[in-house]
Parts: sequence; C-alpha cells; structure tokens
Amino acid sequence: GAVVSQHPSWVICKSGTSVKIECRSLDFQATTMFWYRQFPKQSLMLMATSNEGSKATYEQGVEKDKFLINHASLTLSTLTVTSAHPEDSSFYICSAPEFREGTEAFFGQGTRLTVV
Amino acid sequence: GESVGLHLPTLSVQEGDNSIINCAYSNSASDYFIWYKQESGKGPQFIIDIRSNMDKRQGQRVTVLLNKTVKHLSLQIAATQPGDSAVYFCAENHRRALTFGSGTRLQVQP
Repeated sequence: GAVVSQHPSWVICKSGTSVKIECRSLDFQATTMFWYRQFPKQSLMLMATSNEGSKATYEQGVEKDKFLINHASLTLSTLTVTSAHPEDSSFYICSAPEFREGTEAFFGQGTRLTVV
Repeated sequence: GESVGLHLPTLSVQEGDNSIINCAYSNSASDYFIWYKQESGKGPQFIIDIRSNMDKRQGQRVTVLLNKTVKHLSLQIAATQPGDSAVYFCAENHRRALTFGSGTRLQVQP
C-alpha cells in the first residue's frame, strides 16, 4: 500500500516554543492531507484539511493561528504548533487519501508531542 | 450530530477464538466504511473496507459485515492471535476525511 511518513515520531519542547511536524507521501502525490489529534485512550479527531496550493480548512474549535498548516508541495504538508502549552501535548497523526483502489486513507506513524 | 460509535470499549478473547468487534453509525448517508487497527504509539493501520452496496467483505482472517437497516458494522477476526491485540476503530469516510468511532481495545489472552 501507499506510504505516508511522519517526522519526528516524538518531540519534547518547552512551553512557549514552536514545533514543526512533517508529513510526506512517499510514493504518491497528495493534493489533500489531513491532520488528526488523539488524546490518550481517545479516538482520532480531525483538526484540519491541508490543501496543496491553498489555505488549510480547520475544524470547528481548532485555532488556525496556533496550528499553522503549510502544504507547499504535492508530497509534503507541515503542521506547526505555535507557542505550545502543556495542554497541546497529544499524539498528532497525518493521513493522505490514496485513490488507486478507492478512498482509503493511509496514515503516518504519528508524532508524540510533550510540552513541559 | 452525526457520529460513529462502538458498543464495547474492551474485548478480551482467548488465543485461537474468533473475535467480533461492533460499530454503530448514525449517518444513513454514509457509503464507505473502514476498519483500522492501532497499536500503542503508532498510527492507524488499514485492515479492511466496505462500501454500502455490499453486505460482506472478506480479507485474510478478517471479515466485515454491514447491516444498513440497523446502521451497524462489525469486524470479525478468525483464530485471534496475540499480535491482534490493539485498539480497533471503525471509520466513516466523509468529505475525504474520516470520522472515527471511539475504539475497542482487543486483548488476546494466551
């Protein structure tokens, strides 16, 4: 199946700093990528849709100025958590739909963010 | 609002037994469903999918059943193995993003 690579797999940062997470589609082009957040023992919640060449669309309740998304190419989307706070600590996961066989989405391995 | 949910938060089975994980969805317009497996600290892994024009689909050791009448989805795992221990999510495809159910933890006892 298609491969989506996410980096870093984990990061620890201080409160007030910014963290960038990268999501790459390795063997296919993705005009759209999705960013999810998952708190412990909870399900994945969609944060935003990253669109290549245009602005990202954010789900209700997600601060666009805090979670900056850039989709500069057909294989790369980045999520920057700005001025991170401990409550932003979570598991962030990206996905990219690959439509050769349908609409299944392939997921990155996730990024564990811990803000101290 | 529309949602996708699961009946059982935790399922414990003996190795070698069959496992059945259930999911209820509320959006009758949903036409595509996916089951994912998530191991601790990892992203979701695609298991099997099904479209609304089907009632059943089989993969390797897994079967997905769809009952549109009662808006119910199930994942059957045959001869459950310790490596099957994980959290399983059903997901509904919506606007190319996915709406996930709350998840069921499958524990396989040796």
